[in-house]
Amino acid sequence: DAGVTQSPTHLIKTRGQHVTLRCSPISGHKSVSWYQQVLGQGPQFIFQYYEKEERGRGNFPDRFSARQFPNYSSELNVNALLLGDSALYLCASSGSGNQDQPQHFGDGTRLSIL
Amino acid sequence: GESVGLHLPTLSVQEGDNSIINCAYSNSASDYFIWYKQESGKGPQFIIDIRSNMDKRQGQRVTVLLNKTVKHLSLQIAATQPGDSAVYFCAENEDSWGKLQFGAGTQVVVTP
Repeated sequence: DAGVTQSPTHLIKTRGQHVTLRCSPISGHKSVSWYQQVLGQGPQFIFQYYEKEERGRGNFPDRFSARQFPNYSSELNVNALLLGDSALYLCASSGSGNQDQPQHFGDGTRLSIL
Repeated sequence: GESVGLHLPTLSVQEGDNSIINCAYSNSASDYFIWYKQESGKGPQFIIDIRSNMDKRQGQRVTVLLNKTVKHLSLQIAATQPGDSAVYFCAENEDSWGKLQFGAGTQVVVTP
């Protein structure tokens, strides 16, 4: 069975541009979460979506937005890119997004801002 | 030069020995905990989880211990193998709907 898939795997942008990252959850999973991982640190929570509704948002500026589609795939959008947005962006899926279900991660999109 | 944040705690283990990775969590209200393994260039891989109503759970070659009194988690890996070399993260679930708070991570290096 396919795991969580993310595209693209790598991306280079310049300051001020915008970017869209995509995620397909494990088949049957209805919840998708997004995390940012800066080199040498643990992932930081950005958003969680379940059944197309935002369930939670981490401490990120409004430049970050996301949505979930009827097929449960998701997009993360970042506007007005800053150098500090350079990171690995991870998507995770779980069955319902409830507290006691493990989240399974994709291999991420490596975003570099020049 | 060196950069802040790039130096993870490192555990060096000889192949075949047992490994113990420790983690202190922050929220006494957290009810669910997960250990992840992250290899270079990949996303975190689920290893094992434990709920707060348990103090021990075993998987294949791994055991997680939970001490709620001191807010401490540990992951024990039996007969460590070269393929176990990776960064290990503990994560706590702080909310009812699944927001994960990750620890800083421990780099495990397995030597022959």
